[in-house]
Amino acid sequence: GAGVSQSPSNKVTEKGKDVELRCDPISGHTALYWYRQRLGQGLEFLIYFQGNSAPDKSGLPSDRFSAERTGESVSTLTIQRTQQEDSAVYLCASSHGRHTGELFFGEGSRLTVL
Amino acid sequence: KQEVTQIPAALSVPEGENLVLNCSFTDSAIYNLQWFRQDPGKGLTSLLLIQSSQREQTSGRLNASLDKSSGRSTLYIAASQPGDSATYLCAILQTAGSYQLTFGKGTKLSVIP
Repeated sequence: GAGVSQSPSNKVTEKGKDVELRCDPISGHTALYWYRQRLGQGLEFLIYFQGNSAPDKSGLPSDRFSAERTGESVSTLTIQRTQQEDSAVYLCASSHGRHTGELFFGEGSRLTVL
Repeated sequence: KQEVTQIPAALSVPEGENLVLNCSFTDSAIYNLQWFRQDPGKGLTSLLLIQSSQREQTSGRLNASLDKSSGRSTLYIAASQPGDSATYLCAILQTAGSYQLTFGKGTKLSVIP
């Protein structure tokens, strides 16, 4: 596609529910990233994919968070048993080739946990 | 651990003015530095990417400079317009072997018509 696409754009859920956030990177981009942006704070790295592998998962805040990528394309970030502190905008980015290149971000998925 | 600071947190200027946004970092051994803009409720848009071997990059009215020895980068915006109003973020990739960008908290720019 023309840009990085994320869905849903907004998600309101109840504490304890599971949520899935989807990212469609730019076609042909092998590197894919998830970042989290809490209100009033900087971006926090969550996970990096090169192809379908995740060489760096160090930013995932707990075992309630997981992510996968298939077909070197779509990625899904899953948050189990959501907590209020998970409320944030989850941003996906992709880059062509290696991770050292320019990053292109999607518009994010805003998650609100009540 | 790399720390990225952007001062001021907010800046308001009249339309037409030239302005400079600042980004400072504590560890000068960086791989590259990238400037982004973020509009309210939107994702980030890449503006300029400077490799560690470069001193500056230009795109239209934007010019970004990099001085690794002093741990500083600046984003110069010429002839500012109301459409330039946004939050500007700088981000650093520390080494070719790292995957995480370290972001500053941004400078919120308002250009007053």
